[in-house]
Amino acid sequence: QVQLVESGGGIVQPGRSLRLSCAASGFSFSRYAMYWVRQAPGKGLECVAGISDDKNYRYYADSVKGRFTISRDNFKDTLNLEMSSLRAEDTATYYCARDRFPMVRGYGMDVWGQGTTVIVS
Amino acid sequence: DIQMTQSPSTLSASVGDRVTITCRASQIISGWVAWYQQKPGKAPKLLIYKASNLDSGVPSRFSGSGSGTEFTLTISSLQPDDFATYYCQQYDSYSPLFNFGPGTKVDIK
Repeated sequence: QVQLVESGGGIVQPGRSLRLSCAASGFSFSRYAMYWVRQAPGKGLECVAGISDDKNYRYYADSVKGRFTISRDNFKDTLNLEMSSLRAEDTATYYCARDRFPMVRGYGMDVWGQGTTVIVS
Repeated sequence: DIQMTQSPSTLSASVGDRVTITCRASQIISGWVAWYQQKPGKAPKLLIYKASNLDSGVPSRFSGSGSGTEFTLTISSLQPDDFATYYCQQYDSYSPLFNFGPGTKVDIK
């Protein structure tokens, strides 16, 4: 069964750090680009970070650049998001998501986790 | 950066209605548009990729079309399970993070 399971969310004070993780199972994790997408309460979706299948390329939204770091472990089938200097506006549900096709980008995200909630307060 | 807009922002419809949601890009994009359905408290679900390709398991009442700067999602006959928020998403190789539209909420008339 193809699955993504996030963990690591919680309540954190402004300026502090938090690490989110996403455990993948049921597919060849190392062949897919992966993303973190967040959704603030009552708001829309924002893709905040992405990483290529081979880890060579990492992308960040301007809103998190310099504060968030995406990484992956293709042996442990795990995606991570290291968040530092957290702000109130980072409060959101954070989803990890998978590219639609292996090793090809641009076709959307077809597998999503259930989300983990981060509250900065 | 390419900006995405959606219209309408809210749509009230009845079961059986034909529903069309439009997504417009601030510049020409090469069809790299996807559509998602999201229900409250749930993760988004991919419906359409590359503007017009139905994702696996998605009912055939959903369809996508468009090119250039204007793309549409159509639900041919709205079903009770379709009341949700719909997002378009654009991919641009020059800004390789996916960019979502603001969403269209489809609610019961």
